[in-house]
Amino acid sequence: EPEVTQTPSHQVTQMGQEVILRCVPISNHLYFYWYRQILGQKVEFLVSFYNNEISEKSEIFDDQFSVERPDGSNFTLKIRSTKLEDSAMYFCASSFRSNQPQHFGDGTRLSIL
Amino acid sequence: EDQVTQSPEALRLQEGESSSLNCSYTVSGLRGLFWYRQDPGKGPEFLFTLYSAGEEKEKERLKATLTKKESFLHITAPKPEDSATYLCAVQARGGSSNTGKLIFGQGTTLQVKP
Repeated sequence: EPEVTQTPSHQVTQMGQEVILRCVPISNHLYFYWYRQILGQKVEFLVSFYNNEISEKSEIFDDQFSVERPDGSNFTLKIRSTKLEDSAMYFCASSFRSNQPQHFGDGTRLSIL
Repeated sequence: EDQVTQSPEALRLQEGESSSLNCSYTVSGLRGLFWYRQDPGKGPEFLFTLYSAGEEKEKERLKATLTKKESFLHITAPKPEDSATYLCAVQARGGSSNTGKLIFGQGTTLQVKP
């Protein structure tokens, strides 16, 4: 069964450094998402992406965050200057249509020191 | 404000002891309600989608139902392998752009003892 893959599984970065989280969505899906989950808290929406542009972003997704689909298979989340509070599990998801089930990867655990 | 609340936060069952998990939601207009299962260290795994009140979906020992204010996930004769965190998420209707944003509840952590 097709699945969403994320790399790396764990990223440790110094505060202030840039980090890029990578995702390969399911191949025929058209909608792409990033969510994050701080330990012990709810899964929170960050951004949705369709037709090569951001369709919605949350208040969390400020100027330090950006997303890109550099080719036909990858979807990336960049954090320009990481803060301690960016430490969380980051999940990528994709769906064929916006109201259809989103399929999630197993996440990247981001630890900011 | 769109909101999802799940109860209970934690549930311990004996193997074979049936029970229900609740997901209450307030949204401007429901576009869809989704149930996911999450194992420790893993991403949410899709279980069910419900789109309108009165709809029911069933898979093995799980059955999801939907009303205008809440959804239930019924677990019949659970087994230890059903132990996981169950997440409920809703999509709200949003003006001219339905972007697919999911709003999650905090989850119910289920432990089934043999």
